[in-house]
Amino acid sequence: QLQLQESGPGLVKASETLSLTCTVSGGSISSNSYYWGWIRQPPGKGLEWIGRIYYSGSTYYNPSLKSRVTMSVDTSKNQFSLKLSPVTAAHTAVYYCVRGQGNYFDNWGQGTLVTVSS
Amino acid sequence: SYELIQPPSVSVSPGQTASITCSGDKLGDKYACWYKQKPGQSPVLVIYQDNQRPSGIPERFSGSNSGNTATLTISGTQAMDEADYYCQAWDGTTVVFGGGTKLTVL
Repeated sequence: QLQLQESGPGLVKASETLSLTCTVSGGSISSNSYYWGWIRQPPGKGLEWIGRIYYSGSTYYNPSLKSRVTMSVDTSKNQFSLKLSPVTAAHTAVYYCVRGQGNYFDNWGQGTLVTVSS
Repeated sequence: SYELIQPPSVSVSPGQTASITCSGDKLGDKYACWYKQKPGQSPVLVIYQDNQRPSGIPERFSGSNSGNTATLTISGTQAMDEADYYCQAWDGTTVVFGGGTKLTVL
């Protein structure tokens, strides 16, 4: 059974860089059938798509975040990563890593809360 | 930018049918999907490609999409269905989520 697990600091200072890694187990990240991505949810609010990456390294980012976002993939470790910089308090959220296919996301990680402190 | 609009809340009595709508310009020309999220948990896909159920999702969940509105229907609603529900679509360049609907079963 596929599992996704986010890891990274839970507290980041404003103006610095948020860095998260998603480790995929129970399946290979190197598949032409799927893509991988990040979605965030501020406390008490709705979902926001951040971007997606293919195992080849091709990326697509939310235009509203494009200037701050970098995603990468490490097929040897079955991991993909997110960097968001610089962060502000508005970036405080639960960050989910996801697997996507077609137009939807069929597997989600448990999520990790990242708080941006001033 | 493209927007999807959902009612903030819907209430339903146990055993009755709940309908949650998601509105967007020409949404029927795109694929819509739906996620269920319980407090403190990750979202779970319940409908994809307008009306397809992933394995493990009960048959009481169904979906439709036409014109400007996609609808998630839960037949014979149970207490366990109480959750937040989000619609989602791809507008060609960006993934868009609706604002979410809190389904209360009372």
